Amino acid sequence: ETGVTQTPRHLVMGMTNKKSLKCEQHLGHNAMYWYKQSAKKPLELMFVYSLEERVENNSVPSRFSPECPNSSHLFLHLHTLQPEDSALYLCASSQLPLAIHEQYFGPGTRLTVT
Amino acid sequence: SQQGEEDPQALSIQEGENATMNCSYKTSINNLQWYRQNSGRGLVHLILIRSNEREKHSGRLRVTLDTSKKSSSLLITASRAADTASYFCATDAWVDSSYKLIFGSGTRLLVRP
Repeated sequence: ETGVTQTPRHLVMGMTNKKSLKCEQHLGHNAMYWYKQSAKKPLELMFVYSLEERVENNSVPSRFSPECPNSSHLFLHLHTLQPEDSALYLCASSQLPLAIHEQYFGPGTRLTVT
Repeated sequence: SQQGEEDPQALSIQEGENATMNCSYKTSINNLQWYRQNSGRGLVHLILIRSNEREKHSGRLRVTLDTSKKSSSLLITASRAADTASYFCATDAWVDSSYKLIFGSGTRLLVRP
């Protein structure tokens, strides 16, 4: 893991809980991303932030609420999740929010919704 | 359907052999990237190849790009057990009114010691 950290690494939560995922990048990048990775499905882009402004929201349900207080930190607030939301949630960053730049990923948070 | 699709879905080889994975895509691109993911971990960027490049090398990795066929291949030479991972191609694409990096479903590579 190359400069992008995520906590917690594992999370089990009930459908009525509220929890938050945290991501921090130490690379001086200006763009940050949340992805969802479910078994046997391609990586799904959820949110994109550029210089702390949300520039992309790919029709993600409102039970997922992102927050980017500064260019180094990104949160994903979770509430009233469904079992189908169980997945690996990956944070990534890049120099700019453009698809021509390589993205650097954190190790992910394995989320299980019971 | 996906912008990038890898083939094969799974590949099992003996240590020391070469592994070749292919990626096909549908729309024109500016660049194509390959990533690697160890089980349950984050993705690691391997190589970026631009649309005006045909081949790129990085250590034991060789990537080719054929824009006329809309395809790319990743060759890992002299494979090692530590190369066991999933490999994804990602292409830039205009989707839903914005420019995004779209990942394929990946090839799962198993290198047997």
